[in-house]
Amino acid sequence: SQQGEEDPQALSIQEGENATMNCSYKTSINNLQWYRQNSGRGLVHLILIRSNEREKHSGRLRVTLDTSKKSSSLLITASRAADTASYFCATDYFGNEKLTFGTGTRLTIIP
Amino acid sequence: DVKVTQSSRYLVKRTGEKVFLECVQDMDHENMFWYRQDPGLGLRLIYFSYDVKMKEKGDIPEGYSVSREKKERFSLILESASTNQTSMYLCASSSQGSTEAFFGQGTRLTVV
Repeated sequence: SQQGEEDPQALSIQEGENATMNCSYKTSINNLQWYRQNSGRGLVHLILIRSNEREKHSGRLRVTLDTSKKSSSLLITASRAADTASYFCATDYFGNEKLTFGTGTRLTIIP
Repeated sequence: DVKVTQSSRYLVKRTGEKVFLECVQDMDHENMFWYRQDPGLGLRLIYFSYDVKMKEKGDIPEGYSVSREKKERFSLILESASTNQTSMYLCASSSQGSTEAFFGQGTRLTVV
């Protein structure tokens, strides 16, 4: 399986703190994406980073990609209670439009 | 507002029943996908389709089949439901040449 691994599996932080999640994958990728899933719901796309990019920002989100280490991190700054959710990374490979998802990080923001 | 709609949020079926999970998207997307999600295993791809009447097996197709008779609709079929198919099922779509996926709200299927 090409499935990625996310670290940590679960994370609890105080509201206002920053949250960092990591994703590792196994083979060379075309793009890496991050998705959020609120409890019992579908996934929502957050951000996409291409293999030739090293960093990308979107609002309070910052994504980095290190292709030499086959890893990515998602930083959520100034966390809010509404950020409580599971976060998944997903990768795709050249010439293939399928996504392969990681196992997810469950983030809890404590008010 | 663009949407991927799954026919049921919750479903309870008996072992051996034939089960149909329906998914409709209104974004004119070429690509459609069915995943199942289980605790600790993330999302696993069951089947996908890049065009009408076209289907390809994903990572875990055993016990499932699919149908795509119209571009907007992708159906997942459990030929004979078993308890190990109790799971959350997620449908997604994306446009040709893009991997950004739009997901439905999920169907939590329980097989008893």
